Amino acid sequence: QKEVEQDPGPLSVPEGAIVSLNCTYSNSAFQYFMWYRQYSRKGPELLMYTYSSGNKEDGRFTAQVDKSSKYISLFIRDSQPSDSATYLCAMSGNQFYFGTGTSLTVIP
Amino acid sequence: GAVVSQHPSRVICKSGTSVKIECRSLDFQATTMFWYRQFPKQSLMLMATSNEGSKATYEQGVEKDKFLINHASLTLSTLTVTSAHPEDSSFYICSAFTRTSGGTDTQYFGPGTRLTVL
Repeated sequence: QKEVEQDPGPLSVPEGAIVSLNCTYSNSAFQYFMWYRQYSRKGPELLMYTYSSGNKEDGRFTAQVDKSSKYISLFIRDSQPSDSATYLCAMSGNQFYFGTGTSLTVIP
Repeated sequence: GAVVSQHPSRVICKSGTSVKIECRSLDFQATTMFWYRQFPKQSLMLMATSNEGSKATYEQGVEKDKFLINHASLTLSTLTVTSAHPEDSSFYICSAFTRTSGGTDTQYFGPGTRLTVL
């Protein structure tokens, strides 16, 4: 079993839709949970950084961590074409474990 | 599933020494590997793109003589931090790029190497 599982998509939504991106993991020792956004030929940009369980909101983005289910989510409200990118989840204890990324396209 | 490994996972060295970090794709061939650097709670910074059998392409501001990259085979890329200094202390993460059987381009990340320069 992989440490982190993420549906690669691709995911296409109309502008204004609510987007839900998810990852599951197997290692209960993970403490830090992150979501990155990556545009083509760029390094992944850190969007959200969460320690342990709970929700965190930043503008149109909400990150949720459910450690009991080993499940994390990123919600994007009022999605915009500029949100079109690959979204990577990552988590860490002593090392980093990344999902493979979900390709998102927001259609105007 | 596709796995990328890095070795070592953690290294502590004295200032002025050189450190080599290996990135291996374990069950697939990667014509392209990327090297990133990450400071705590910050985005991954792309350092260079490594293509098998050719010279690496470095991002602006990254010193190619300090961060030597060798992509000798389709499963191995190495990053050597030469004459390391304390400001080089960071997490170094590689990723390997491949095309799946379904035709999807996918990037798999290694677990990172924590470099501490004393």
